[in-house]
Amino acid sequence: GQSLEQPSEVTAVEGAIVQINCTYQTSGFYGLSWYQQHDGGAPTFLSYNALDGLEETGRFSSFLSRSDSYGYLLLQELQMKDSASYFCAVGGTDSWGKFQFGAGTQVVVTP
Amino acid sequence: NAGVTQTPKFQVLKTGQSMTLQCAQDMNHNSMYWYRQDPGMGLRLIYYSASEGTTDKGEVPNGYNVSRLNKREFSLRLESAAPSQTSVYFCASRTDRTAYEQYFGPGTRLTVT
Repeated sequence: GQSLEQPSEVTAVEGAIVQINCTYQTSGFYGLSWYQQHDGGAPTFLSYNALDGLEETGRFSSFLSRSDSYGYLLLQELQMKDSASYFCAVGGTDSWGKFQFGAGTQVVVTP
Repeated sequence: NAGVTQTPKFQVLKTGQSMTLQCAQDMNHNSMYWYRQDPGMGLRLIYYSASEGTTDKGEVPNGYNVSRLNKREFSLRLESAAPSQTSVYFCASRTDRTAYEQYFGPGTRLTVT
């Protein structure tokens, strides 16, 4: 079957670094995306990896290892506004345009 | 440029009633999506449309129908609502230029009693 696994919750203090892991098992794959969702809001795109390695976008970085079917999102210099749910998503499942999302990781940032 | 818009924002239905959720995008995107999100869960794909006139089932299509009216609009219809369809429904669109980034609407919060 197809699955994406990520931790359900992570808690950290302001200024800390948090890593959210995502392992996937899907029938197709052309990339791993990350989305942020604040309570009651729409998901917004953060980052994408099609090839192995690290992609950096400001305080957020994302990593992919295709051979390990594994990726992670790194949140640095945590701020209170980073408290949200973070979802990994695999593109290309079943057919090229389709995506499958993980269940999400709730990040709680404390003062 | 409004992005992706959805109507209504909230809806309460009784079991067996029907309704259509509307979605429109003004970004000239070819691909559009309907997802549902249940508490504590990720987004599950209901239907996908790669272009005007084409639709494809996702993970959870049962109980739903879709219509890609034109390039801008993609509607989701519940013919006979059931309590199991209580959820938040998100519409999204995706540019072909960057194959991975989806833009989401604000969502429709549907309760079926």
